[in-house]
Amino acid sequence: KAGVTQTPRYLIKTRGQQVTLSCSPISGHRSVSWYQQTPGQGLQFLFEYFSETQRNKGNFPGRFSGRQFSNSRSEMNVSTLELGDSALYLCASSLKGLGAGELFFGEGSRLTVL
Amino acid sequence: GQQVMQIPQYQHVQEGEDFTTYCNSSTTLSNIQWYKQRPGGHPVFLIQLVKSGEVKKQKRLTFQFGEAKKNSSLHITATQTTDVGTYFCASDTSGTYKYIFGTGTRLKVLA
Repeated sequence: KAGVTQTPRYLIKTRGQQVTLSCSPISGHRSVSWYQQTPGQGLQFLFEYFSETQRNKGNFPGRFSGRQFSNSRSEMNVSTLELGDSALYLCASSLKGLGAGELFFGEGSRLTVL
Repeated sequence: GQQVMQIPQYQHVQEGEDFTTYCNSSTTLSNIQWYKQRPGGHPVFLIQLVKSGEVKKQKRLTFQFGEAKKNSSLHITATQTTDVGTYFCASDTSGTYKYIFGTGTRLKVLA
């Protein structure tokens, strides 16, 4: 069974640019959630999608957005990048959604903003 | 807003010593999950606790959920070098589909 796949694994952008990250969940999983991980702030919840609907989002500015497609693949977008957006972005998939069981994480996309 | 604190932030132990990390929430949790993240890796699910006072064991790991469902602990008996990593607790905020991770405890095991 294939795991959660995130692309790209590494990327470098400059301030003001925008970036799109992709996450392919485990087959059959309808929930995809996104997290930002930094040394200073730890793991912070961005948002969760379940069957193409965003069910909730964390305390991030509107520059952070996401979507989920009918095949459960998800993308997140960050516009007008700032230096502080440099982080490891993790996505996780689950069968029933947050709090209902195990989250399976991808390897992450490491974003560096110069 | 809800916060989940973990203590200690760092812990260095000699191989064979025991290790405990504590997770404390400002509000009642519906459930709690524990994850381990190896250096350079991604979080891996360890266990989920749901019931007040619940205790679960996985080999050398013992997990507890407090009676008030506001705290939890992970205890490792006789640590090994393979236990190195950061341990996180996590919970959704009572059905709001908003997930909170604890601040994490980084464990180093000295051989």
